[in-house]
Amino acid sequence: ETGVTQTPRHLVMGMTNKKSLKCEQHLGHNAMYWYKQSAKKPLELMFVYNFKEQTENNSVPSRFSPECPNSSHLFLHLHTLQPEDSALYLCASSQDLTEGNTIYFGEGSWLTVV
Amino acid sequence: QKEVEQNSGPLSVPEGAIASLNCTYSDRGSQSFFWYRQYSGKSPELIMFIYSNGDKEDGRFTAQLNKASQYVSLLIRDSQPSDSATYLCAVIETGANNLFFGTGTRLTVIP
Repeated sequence: ETGVTQTPRHLVMGMTNKKSLKCEQHLGHNAMYWYKQSAKKPLELMFVYNFKEQTENNSVPSRFSPECPNSSHLFLHLHTLQPEDSALYLCASSQDLTEGNTIYFGEGSWLTVV
Repeated sequence: QKEVEQNSGPLSVPEGAIASLNCTYSDRGSQSFFWYRQYSGKSPELIMFIYSNGDKEDGRFTAQLNKASQYVSLLIRDSQPSDSATYLCAVIETGANNLFFGTGTRLTVIP
C-alpha cells in the first residue's frame, strides 16, 4: 500500500458524463501531480500543485479540470471526454524536487471513455 | 519539452543473467536521475536514484551515470522472473519542479 491513494481505481464513462477522480496523500508532501499514461507514450504531466497553488498546466484541454483544496487532496474533474482520453491517470506527490527528492505515485485510476 | 529516451524493447534475458537498461537525456544541466519499475497494470515504483557521476549499487541493482555523455543506465544482476516489468527512466531538468519520463523499456526474464 502506498501513501498516495486514488479512487476510483476503474471508471467507465460516456462522453456526455461528468465524473471526478480523487487523490489523497498521507506523506506530508507539499506538491501533488496528475499524470496521464497512454499505451506506447511517455508519462505525460498534466498538472502540478505546490502548497495547493497550481504551478503548471501542461496545455491540457479544458475538459480536464483540476482542484486542489489543500496540500493533501487533489481532484481531477472530467466532463465531455473523448474516447482518446481513455488512459491510466496517475496521481503523485513529492516534497520540493529541487532538493533531490522524487515523486511517489498512487495506484492509478483506469479510465475508459465510451 | 526536453527529451528522455529509452529503447522500448522488449529486452529478453535468461534467468541469472545481467540485464542492462539504457537512457539518454537532452538537458545537460539535469542533476537528478531516477529509475522506476512498473509491473503490468500497476503504477510506477521508485527503485533507484543517482545524482553523481559513477556507479551506485543497491542489492542486485546498479545505476550508472555519465553526465558528460548524458547517459544513465540500470544494471540488474542475477535477473529473476520477478524482475519482468517496464523500467522507466526519469530526469529532473534544470530549474524544473517536475520529472520527465522516458517511454520505458519492457524487460522479460526467461526462466
